[in-house]
Amino acid sequence: AQTVTQSQPEMSVQEAETVTLSCTYDTSENNYYLFWYKQPPSRQMILVIRQEAYKQQNATENRFSVNFQKAAKSFSLKISDSQLGDTAMYFCAFKIPENSGGSNYKLTFGKGTLLTVNP
Amino acid sequence: NAGVTQTPKFRILKIGQSMTLQCTQDMNHNYMYWYRQDPGMGLKLIYYSVGAGITDKGEVPNGYNVSRSTTEDFPLRLELAAPSQTSVYFCASSSVGRTEAFFGQGTRLTVV
Repeated sequence: AQTVTQSQPEMSVQEAETVTLSCTYDTSENNYYLFWYKQPPSRQMILVIRQEAYKQQNATENRFSVNFQKAAKSFSLKISDSQLGDTAMYFCAFKIPENSGGSNYKLTFGKGTLLTVNP
Repeated sequence: NAGVTQTPKFRILKIGQSMTLQCTQDMNHNYMYWYRQDPGMGLKLIYYSVGAGITDKGEVPNGYNVSRSTTEDFPLRLELAAPSQTSVYFCASSSVGRTEAFFGQGTRLTVV
């Protein structure tokens, strides 16, 4: 079974600064996907960024980037130029592809990191 | 552009009552999921479905039932509600070839 661990329950950062959220996972699979989801106070789950395990290049989406270390099973999220609207709960999640031949393709979530951006 | 639609958004139930949480998606996704989110916790999978007529248990299925008679709909049934089922419930869907899951806006359920 897959597990996802987020060791930072809460973090805070000043507006315009950079913050890194940590995530580690455990799996015996070689092909999988990793995600960061954002959950603002509205409760909506919003995809921030995704990484395919077979890609060595780290994914980036504007101010959001990841540091994917496959051997270490680490997947951290870096937010640059933090904005007040980035205040939210951030969840790291893991999934194997639906067409992998198995049945364990559900999204497995970490417990989340509550990020507060201070003005 | 509705995506995944859940109803209701909020509900208060008395212990022992039953209810159905509705979930509909208009993206023709094969896979649908029900998660619950307890305070300070990540999302835990209750049930999932790989297509119409096929459902399977997730991590925390006790006290719940699902059905999938169409591709679009995946209702979650709570029988004999208990305080331990107080939570926020999310429905999600995904498809082969699209890696991410799309989520509904959640249902906040309180059992008193």
